Amino acid sequence: NAGVTQTPKFRILKIGQSMTLQCTQDMNHNYMYWYRQDPGMGLKLIYYSVGAGITDKGEVPNGYNVSRSTTEDFPLRLELAAPSQTSVYFCASSSPGDQPQHFGDGTRLSIL
Amino acid sequence: AQSVTQPDIHITVSEGASLELRCNYSYGATPYLFWYVQSPGQGLQLLLKYFSGDTLVQGIKGFEAEFKRSQSSFNLRKPSVHWSDAAEYFCAVAINNDMRFGAGTRLTVKP
Repeated sequence: NAGVTQTPKFRILKIGQSMTLQCTQDMNHNYMYWYRQDPGMGLKLIYYSVGAGITDKGEVPNGYNVSRSTTEDFPLRLELAAPSQTSVYFCASSSPGDQPQHFGDGTRLSIL
Repeated sequence: AQSVTQPDIHITVSEGASLELRCNYSYGATPYLFWYVQSPGQGLQLLLKYFSGDTLVQGIKGFEAEFKRSQSSFNLRKPSVHWSDAAEYFCAVAINNDMRFGAGTRLTVKP
């Protein structure tokens, strides 16, 4: 029972590089979310999706892009990495009407 | 502005002692309320949630929380803390798909 799986777990990028953080869930959840967590802070919502083909901005979307071509996958794209994007990124999923969210173990990203 | 406040950044309690973690929110309406726990290097695990009804909710691992509308609070409690409870605790509130988290309270448990 995998739940929410994020890859990679760790990554170091140089400024200006691009990368995609992968997230997949096997619970057939319609809703998926991307958060970032900075030291000493709570999680902040970057983007969310209520179903395949539908995405929407959260609290801190600048510098990121997402797509949702399937129910299972919700990748997060950084096009031009900046030091301010150094953070731990969490993907989560839930069913409609079920606000509690199932979280992945996170991707720790450092941009130097 | 909508906000979630956890006033205590760090709390230390002795094993076996009682625990209360505070959470206050500022929203136009009563949101859904949650407590999550995060162990180092892990994602968040849901402890309990409040949607409506009985204002005292029971969660996993012996935790409970009480919703007080008049105080806009949703404090987490446990009568006897175990060493394994040492972790970071996050209060969260949600209206529709907008979920906001507090900054967290780090719990240290002394032997």
